[in-house]
Amino acid sequence: TQLLEQSPQFLSIQEGENLTVYCNSSSVFSSLQWYRQEPGEGPVLLVTVVTGGEVKKLKRLTFQFGDARKDSSLHITAAQPGDTGLYLCAGFAAGNTGKLIFGQGTTLQVKP
Amino acid sequence: DAGVTQSPTHLIKTRGQHVTLRCSPISGHKSVSWYQQVLGQGPQFIFQYYEKEERGRGNFPDRFSARQFPNYSSELNVNALLLGDSALYLCASSLRAPRDRVYNEQFFGPGTRLTVL
Repeated sequence: TQLLEQSPQFLSIQEGENLTVYCNSSSVFSSLQWYRQEPGEGPVLLVTVVTGGEVKKLKRLTFQFGDARKDSSLHITAAQPGDTGLYLCAGFAAGNTGKLIFGQGTTLQVKP
Repeated sequence: DAGVTQSPTHLIKTRGQHVTLRCSPISGHKSVSWYQQVLGQGPQFIFQYYEKEERGRGNFPDRFSARQFPNYSSELNVNALLLGDSALYLCASSLRAPRDRVYNEQFFGPGTRLTVL
């Protein structure tokens, strides 16, 4: 069974601080996605990483895919209150790109 | 263009009742997937349909069923509701058929919040 473990599950920081969220698995994924979800809304895709060792940047967010394609990280620089939300990593189940396997999520609270 | 739409937005039911949730995919998308998200957790896969055929089923009891219509919209049905069925039910649509090693981005709707009392 493919599983994704996220850590930490909850993070409360002050505006301006940096943070890193981790997503780990014992299974290889062909790609991993990072989503952000706000209360009352569905997840919104932030980025997809496909190649082992790949690094993608989205403004103050940096995403990295592990060399072995079993893990990923999300780093936020100088967090802002607008970054508050639930961050989810996800990957497609082997053999079925209709089934996304999600981590349990990291709830981020950025205080002004 | 409209994104994925779901109805109703919120729903309150009592134990033992049944519920039908509806989803309209993005225009041109033929694949619909359903997920259950319990508060504070990541979504869990329930079903996926492509061209009206079931293509995947998650680890959910037979009380959960779904179907897809010729216009690619979909319904999720849950019978004999339990308190533990209280969750946000998400629908996602994608353009392509589910295939191994072919990236197939999923677009999520806002969800239906189901509360079972």
